[in-house]
Amino acid sequence: GDSVTQMEGPVTLSEEAFLTINCTYTATGYPSLFWYVQYPGEGLQLLLKATKADDKGSNKGFEATYRKETTSFHLEKGSVQVSDSAVYFCALKEGGGNKLTFGTGTQLKVEL
Amino acid sequence: DGGITQSPKYLFRKEGQNVTLSCEQNLNHDAMYWYRQDPGQGLRLIYYSQIVNDFQKGDIAEGYSVSREKKESFPLTVTSAQKNPTAFYLCASSIGVGRERVTEAFFGQGTRLTVV
Repeated sequence: GDSVTQMEGPVTLSEEAFLTINCTYTATGYPSLFWYVQYPGEGLQLLLKATKADDKGSNKGFEATYRKETTSFHLEKGSVQVSDSAVYFCALKEGGGNKLTFGTGTQLKVEL
Repeated sequence: DGGITQSPKYLFRKEGQNVTLSCEQNLNHDAMYWYRQDPGQGLRLIYYSQIVNDFQKGDIAEGYSVSREKKESFPLTVTSAQKNPTAFYLCASSIGVGRERVTEAFFGQGTRLTVV
């Protein structure tokens, strides 16, 4: 079945550091890929998405590129802020379906 | 404003009691979902519904029940048969099934259920 593997957290960075959160997936077809963010005590918000190979999703300085050859969708940001502290979830959805499969989440802590 | 409303935000129940969590959306979405979130385990799908009066079991449906009598509402009942009900429950919705477009899911703020 479909699965998503994320790097374990917590990831602790200083403000303005470069961020990478790794995400790899296993899917039978050609899934769409998503990154969601969850702030403390809240639900999930869509951060960015990509629907086909080599697509780059971007939002609020975050980027991720759909790499079919490595089945990866790593999240990157050039300069993190304290306000980026949250839990980040990588997810996939098989084409034509509605079900999202989530990774276990990676907690990011950004310190001054 | 359009969105998904879950209520209440915090819920306490005694062991052995059934409890119903509310989820309402005014986004005119066909599909709705319930997820359970536990520390270190990400989100696991409990039930989902793609249309009114129809729903399917997700990965961890045992001990839960749902109904979908209206498009806007998808309540989740946590029954006494659920062995470890204490968790954070998230409701979500999306436009619907369609190969032609990618439908993102919109999430509510969650309900934290504590069973004592």
